[in-house]
Amino acid sequence: LAKTTQPISMDSYEGQEVNITCSHNNIATNDYITWYQQFPSQGPRFIIQGYKTKVKNEVASLFIPADRKSSTLSLPRVSLSDTAVYYCLVAGREAAGNKLTFGGGTRVLVKP
Amino acid sequence: GAVVSQHPSRVICKSGTSVKIECRSLDFQATTMFWYRQFPKKSLMLMATSNEGSKATYEQGVEKDKFLINHASLTLSTLTVTSAHPEDSSFYICSARALAGGGDTQYFGPGTRLTVL
Repeated sequence: LAKTTQPISMDSYEGQEVNITCSHNNIATNDYITWYQQFPSQGPRFIIQGYKTKVKNEVASLFIPADRKSSTLSLPRVSLSDTAVYYCLVAGREAAGNKLTFGGGTRVLVKP
Repeated sequence: GAVVSQHPSRVICKSGTSVKIECRSLDFQATTMFWYRQFPKKSLMLMATSNEGSKATYEQGVEKDKFLINHASLTLSTLTVTSAHPEDSSFYICSARALAGGGDTQYFGPGTRLTVL
């Protein structure tokens, strides 16, 4: 399973764009990149998933360079309610039942 | 879509009793579900992989006789913590694997807070 590295924490202000970069140097050919958001005492919530280039949905954008050794989650115009822990995970569709190995995540604090 | 529920949301029990936690995929079928535990301010730790109709696969260090997993249908997996002790107090989270639209995604339940007195 590819190991991921992401910043421990980030501070931002309301209305700003937040970009969190995750390194996954050992990503395999069939691995997908998935980002989750977790609030205290809640299960992780799926944000976005991608394989290459750029993916966008109503919540966030995911940028993946050609070598796929990193990815960047972009949260546009954050609000106080976006304060949470964000996890970057990499797993293959067929690898070991798609087991996810959670790293430490990035604690994002949005200030007023 | 892709909603996963857990029941109960929180439970308090006495030491030595057993507690069953249910995980349901509400709007999709999941041949594979996963069970995690999470301690305060820590990341999720995978405990076991639950496959419908077969035995669960446990991660190293997780006692299979302590944490019984049953995946009897495509929408339900249960985790039973047997003879619970205070050190089993934790936040237990399940996820269900959904294969759709070319993606392969796990959707998580809201979690169950277990407190063993």
